Amino acid sequence: GAGVSQSPSNKVTEKGKDVELRCDPISGHTALYWYRQSLGQGLEFLIYFQGNSAPDKSGLPSDRFSAERTGGSVSTLTIQRTQQEDSAVYLCASSSQTDSYEQYFGPGTRLTVT
Amino acid sequence: KNQVEQSPQSLIILEGKNCTLQCNYTVSPFSNLRWYKQDTGRGPVSLTIMTFSENTKSNGRYTATLDADTKQSSLHITASQLSDSASYICVVSGDYKLSFGAGTTVTVRA
Repeated sequence: GAGVSQSPSNKVTEKGKDVELRCDPISGHTALYWYRQSLGQGLEFLIYFQGNSAPDKSGLPSDRFSAERTGGSVSTLTIQRTQQEDSAVYLCASSSQTDSYEQYFGPGTRLTVT
Repeated sequence: KNQVEQSPQSLIILEGKNCTLQCNYTVSPFSNLRWYKQDTGRGPVSLTIMTFSENTKSNGRYTATLDADTKQSSLHITASQLSDSASYICVVSGDYKLSFGAGTTVTVRA
């Protein structure tokens, strides 16, 4: 079956604009993760969804960042009033269970804030 | 401070040669350690996953080792190929969160 997909693959936006990034996890995967990968940096955990449980938002860097997961499947990461430091690759991953199980990553969305 | 440190930051090797990448971690509690390969413009792809009780695991020409006592892991690439050029990321899991190293960029030249 299909892997994790993300859209758009690239997004260029002006500082101050809002952006929405989409993630379609692998069908049947209950866990979904968002990460940010800045140039030359390791991946940074942003948010974690598991089934119908309250999401772990502890990695979100500011209140300009929010994410939702509708129907336990598709997720949208929203960044409001984008800043230049938000420029990064945003990666989504899903897994059938938590932690001990394989996380499958999408190709990422490259966000550039000008 | 990053809980997962990788070395070297980058390396260049000739096709057919071997190389070893290092990963030291301080993540606690420890559940498992993973090595991922990330091609340019792609998401990471898992190479190996090792739990506390495993000290070596192979995936083709990739062999990972784990010393949970010293909290060190290595990834050995044997007989490198041009397609091995990528970033190799060490990932340590404690709970459901993963701690990522910054990666080692490997460039294989003909």
